[in-house]
Formats: sequence, structure tokens, C-alpha cells
Amino acid sequence: DVKVTQSSRYLVKRTGEKVFLECVQDMDHENMFWYRQDPGLGLRLIYFSYDVKMKEKGDIPEGYSVSREKKERFSLILESASTNQTSMYLCASSFAPRGGNEKLFFGSGTQLSVL
Amino acid sequence: KQEVTQIPAALSVPEGENLVLNCSFTDSAIYNLQWFRQDPGKGLTSLLLIQSSQREQTSGRLNASLDKSSGRSTLYIAASQPGDSATYLCAVPANNNAGNMLTFGGGTRLMVKP
Repeated sequence: DVKVTQSSRYLVKRTGEKVFLECVQDMDHENMFWYRQDPGLGLRLIYFSYDVKMKEKGDIPEGYSVSREKKERFSLILESASTNQTSMYLCASSFAPRGGNEKLFFGSGTQLSVL
Repeated sequence: KQEVTQIPAALSVPEGENLVLNCSFTDSAIYNLQWFRQDPGKGLTSLLLIQSSQREQTSGRLNASLDKSSGRSTLYIAASQPGDSATYLCAVPANNNAGNMLTFGGGTRLMVKP
């Protein structure tokens, strides 16, 4: 089975801190995604990557950056955390080049609280 | 811009009932549609993926149908069990050229009472 692992289940950070959320997948997937999920707003795409060192902005990239130095790892970076970035963050991956029809596999999520 | 709507937002049924969850989308030019399950505080698990050329997909007690022309999909759960209690989300690709960058519906929160 595909495994998507997010490094932390819960994180508590202070306003202004730099925050790294790590995600690793073990199935050699090309595509990786970062979503955030908020009550009443659903899942919103922050960034995605379809290859090493490639990245594209999703719907809400402001305040975030990403890094994909290796195929299996996709990192989400909050350069200066703010309270409105308190959320559940979900990483996902999938096989297939762009335009494919493959399932999306999610990690367990990281609940980030910014105080 | 693709929009995905799920009705109802919440549903409570007694154990053993057959039930239908609905999903509608505004742009019918989709590659596929996926149904996911999410347990509280957890990530999403893909249940079924229907490709645009298919009408339905089945997995155990779950059956998902797709009617592209009307912009609708349904997830049918037969003989519901308390373990089916979760939030169910549908998702479609955001546009034809975005691979599987998905737009999600808001979900239906299902509770199956023993």
C-alpha cells in the first residue's frame, strides 16, 4: 500500500516563527500536493509539484513556500507563521503525469496551531 | 472555475439503511471524479475513482455513479454500519489541463446509529 507520511501529527508554534512541514511518500509518485483544511472552507490547495524541483501555486499560496529537492519529499514552509495559518495541513501524492487518472493518497495530517 | 457541491451537509441514519450521498459539479469537462472518506482528525482515504468514460464503480457495499452531462455523481452505501460514520467528500480535477489537481466538495458528514 502507498504510504504518505507527515512528520508531525500536532505542532504548536509562535507567531513569526519559521515552520517546516515535511511529507514523504514511498511509492515513487511524481505528483505531490499540500492542502489546508478549515471548518466551513473545506480543502484548499496551497501548492503542488509534478516533478523534482518543480512547483506550482494552488489557490492560496500566500504566506507559504515549498521545496521538492527529492522525488519522495515535499516540504511546506511558513516563512513567518501567523495566527490565520492555524489549520489542518494535509499532504497528498499521486502517480501519473499531468492529465492522468490516478487516485490521490493522503497523509494523516498535521494540526498546526500558531499562538 | 469548477465548483463542487455536496448535499446534504450532514446525514444521520439508523444502522442497516441504504443511503445516497450527492455531489454536483459545474464544469462537466472532467477527467474523473473521486470519492473520499475522512475520519475525524485524520487524512482522506480514496474510496472510488470513476473515469470520465465510465458510468459507475463498485467496491464492496459502495457504488458510485457518474453522469457527466448533468454534472452529478452519487455514492450509494448499502446496508450501512456504524463503522461507516465519517465525512464523505467528492472531488474533480480543477480543469482539463491540471492533471489531478482536485477541487473538493464541502463533504457530507454521515452518522450511522446502532
